[in-house]
Amino acid sequence: DAMVIQNPRYQVTQFGKPVTLSCSQTLNHNVMYWYQQKSSQAPKLLFHYYDKDFNNEADTPDNFQSRRPNTSFCFLDIRSPGLGDAAMYLCATSNGKDRQYFGAGTRLSVL
Amino acid sequence: KNQVEQSPQSLIILEGKNCTLQCNYTVSPFSNLRWYKQDTGRGPVSLTIMTFSENTKSNGRYTATLDADTKQSSLHITASQLSDSASYICVVSAKSGGYNKLIFGAGTRLAVHP
Repeated sequence: DAMVIQNPRYQVTQFGKPVTLSCSQTLNHNVMYWYQQKSSQAPKLLFHYYDKDFNNEADTPDNFQSRRPNTSFCFLDIRSPGLGDAAMYLCATSNGKDRQYFGAGTRLSVL
Repeated sequence: KNQVEQSPQSLIILEGKNCTLQCNYTVSPFSNLRWYKQDTGRGPVSLTIMTFSENTKSNGRYTATLDADTKQSSLHITASQLSDSASYICVVSAKSGGYNKLIFGAGTRLAVHP
């Protein structure tokens, strides 16, 4: 059974048109992460939530925002997608002590 | 600076052969080291996880080793299968406040040919 679910699996948006990616978890983990992975590169951490505390990586562009309305859900908002934002976006969760559990990812295309 | 380096970048082997992937890291403070398998277009899936005191851990045909003194790890795949074709990512976890921060290697792309 899927424990970290990302929707949609594939998302196409237009240059500059806001888009929201969704992640939900059934593990009741207190930490949720968003990563960006471009082709043939390692995932790059954008930010994470430790409970309700939002932690932004220093080099994450302002164009990327996140919301966590409750333990189970976390959203990635891209306010004005550019061509360079086309990538796989991975959501992961952890209980802070152990491994991270990854979702299947959302592949974003920007036209 | 925390870094994880993997070699080779890519590898092609014939079905049934063995192979070994390498990972060197400079991460502090070290918490644990994981090997993930990532199929194209999918999220990473954990294969093994090792803490500082563990030298070897196996998961079926996958065997990971860790030398905490030299800060090196390897992933050995035995009797490769076509389904082993994927990227293998070495990930080192560093303690950062109340959670573990993951430092990812760039991965080794493995292709198993019939």
